[in-house]
Order: sequence, then C-alpha cells, then structure tokens
Amino acid sequence: GAGVSQSPRYKVAKRGQDVALRCDPISGHVSLFWYQQALGQGPEFLTYFQNEAQLDKSGLPSDRFFAERPEGSVSTLKIQRTQQEDSAVYLCASSPKARGQSNIQYFGAGTRLSVL
Amino acid sequence: TQLLEQSPQFLSIQEGENLTVYCNSSSVFSSLQWYRQEPGEGPVLLVTVVTGGEVKKLKRLTFQFGDARKDSSLHITAAQPGDTGLYLCAGGGNFNKFYFGSGTKLNVKP
Repeated sequence: GAGVSQSPRYKVAKRGQDVALRCDPISGHVSLFWYQQALGQGPEFLTYFQNEAQLDKSGLPSDRFFAERPEGSVSTLKIQRTQQEDSAVYLCASSPKARGQSNIQYFGAGTRLSVL
Repeated sequence: TQLLEQSPQFLSIQEGENLTVYCNSSSVFSSLQWYRQEPGEGPVLLVTVVTGGEVKKLKRLTFQFGDARKDSSLHITAAQPGDTGLYLCAGGGNFNKFYFGSGTKLNVKP
C-alpha cells in the first residue's frame, strides 16, 4: 500500500513479556517518528529517526524501550519486560524530509498494546 | 504532561450546528497543526498555520492561529455526522518537534 503500515494491529502481552512493534513507512521517506497515545490523550513523542540515525530519543520513558531503523526504512519499537502502564496505542509516522525541513507527518493506524 | 490544553474535551451537537474548539498554551510555537483522528486510525493532518493571526479555511472548517502564536481555534460551520472524530492540535517547536494536545472528541448527531 501507499501509506504507513504498522503491525500487529493489536497485541496482548503478559506483564514481563517482551514485545516488538513494526512500522513500514512510506517508501523513500527520510523521517520516522514513534508516538505513544494513552487512552483519551493525544500522542506523545517517543523517538525520531532521520534515515537510519536515531537523532532524538528524548521521549522514551525508560531504558526498557528501544527503537531501531537499521537500513533507514522499516523500524521496530521494542519494549522489554512490559508493565501495565505500557498499555497504549503506539503510532508511527513518516515524513518525506528531515524534521527541520518538513512539518508534514503521515501516520499509521497504530498498534494497540494491552499488558495484562 | 502536555503543553497544549484543548477545550472542550467532549462535544456532542446536532447536525447543522456550528462549533468552535480551542487549543491554548503558555508556550510560543513556530507552527501549529490540526489533525482529525477516527477510532482505530492514526491522526490525519487537516492544516498547518505558521504566522501569528493567520486564518485558513478548508470548506466548512476555519482555523486561526493566535497573534502571539500561543493558541489556535477551529470553527466548524453547519457540522455534519462525517465531522465526528477526535480533533487534535499540535504545536511545533525547535526542529519541528511537535507536541500534541489531549484532543476534543466531537460527536455530530444526525
């Protein structure tokens, strides 16, 4: 498809389990963002990639959260030892230019993570 | 914590009514965006405003950026059921890092 694709759409994890969330950005997009959206809230920034370089990870809530984009395309957000407060929708967005050059972000539908 | 406060949080109106949604902050932003998000989907960009006092129109939607670039409003004329959704504002800071408000959930009843 032409849009940002995220998988899985839904993930149920037991507390303490590790999870990996995948994002396929729009082909050729330079920038990739991860956001966390808690129920009833707006998205909160987690991390930003320009191609394969992770230039900003200031929003990652703890060292249990790790993101990578090794070839500058697909990205994975990994959460280790999940806790109940990690339950949220995780949104990925991509943009055609570097963050300082473009303010257009195209969002995926998100992965809804429920930690029991 | 979110830098942008949106009001009202919830709004339920009849088809054909007008409404205004507000987005306020004590911070100055280089730009401000409005998105609409439907259940189970990601936010979709409606508009970006960059100049203090700027007004943009998108069919029945009118967006205004405050003179001091700290606040914005979204006005919908003659709302339709298809306008139902979560409206989010997002303020752009350094390097276009965006901070989202908590959203206004709009329900337009036929």
